[in-house]
Amino acid sequence: DQQVKQNSPSLSVQEGRISILNCDYTNSMFDYFLWYKKYPAEGPTFLISISSIKDKNEDGRFTVFLNKSAKHLSLHIVPSQPGDSAVYFCAASAGGTSYGKLTFGQGTILTVHP
Amino acid sequence: ETGVTQTPRHLVMGMTNKKSLKCEQHLGHNAMYWYKQSAKKPLELMFVYNFKEQTENNSVPSRFSPECPNSSHLFLHLHTLQPEDSALYLCASSQDLLAGGASGTTQYFGPGTRLLVL
Repeated sequence: DQQVKQNSPSLSVQEGRISILNCDYTNSMFDYFLWYKKYPAEGPTFLISISSIKDKNEDGRFTVFLNKSAKHLSLHIVPSQPGDSAVYFCAASAGGTSYGKLTFGQGTILTVHP
Repeated sequence: ETGVTQTPRHLVMGMTNKKSLKCEQHLGHNAMYWYKQSAKKPLELMFVYNFKEQTENNSVPSRFSPECPNSSHLFLHLHTLQPEDSALYLCASSQDLLAGGASGTTQYFGPGTRLLVL
């Protein structure tokens, strides 16, 4: 029972173009969503988050969009750079008794070609 | 040293061994977490500690025993592990428990310990 799914295992993009990473969730109690980036031999690094009271959050080249009715979020990277090549994880949390619990997707490997 | 550190970075152990993983956070956070990442699977939460008290045990087998002596240190004691326990074990910390919504906080991860059980 995977509550957070990243259905694309990998994505290849040309430098300067837009990268769009997608994430779907099934638990309607999730109200906070995060994106993490992971390089080999390092732990995941927080990128950007969004609360369910918003539908968009922007931070520099990174924008996260949330569509609550579709239970879908996406991460846009514009413009993509070779240094963005990494594994991207989306994660979700709910309040209440789920305090402290982050549920992660499987990750999407992004490769940005020069 | 800053951030979240984990030692050792790599560990090979037999099924009858006893070993411990160590995590230390230098961020002044109150909550600490253990995650497991098996090959081709999502990160899986194992344990949560808040102000040194365990608040979550995600149905983890007793061969994994966590210890949190203070808010800065977290250990994972391992004994009689199985080969299927081979994975990347990640420690994380956050200022407070991730409450979700507008009050949500971010978890900061260490680099992980790559464990191989033979």
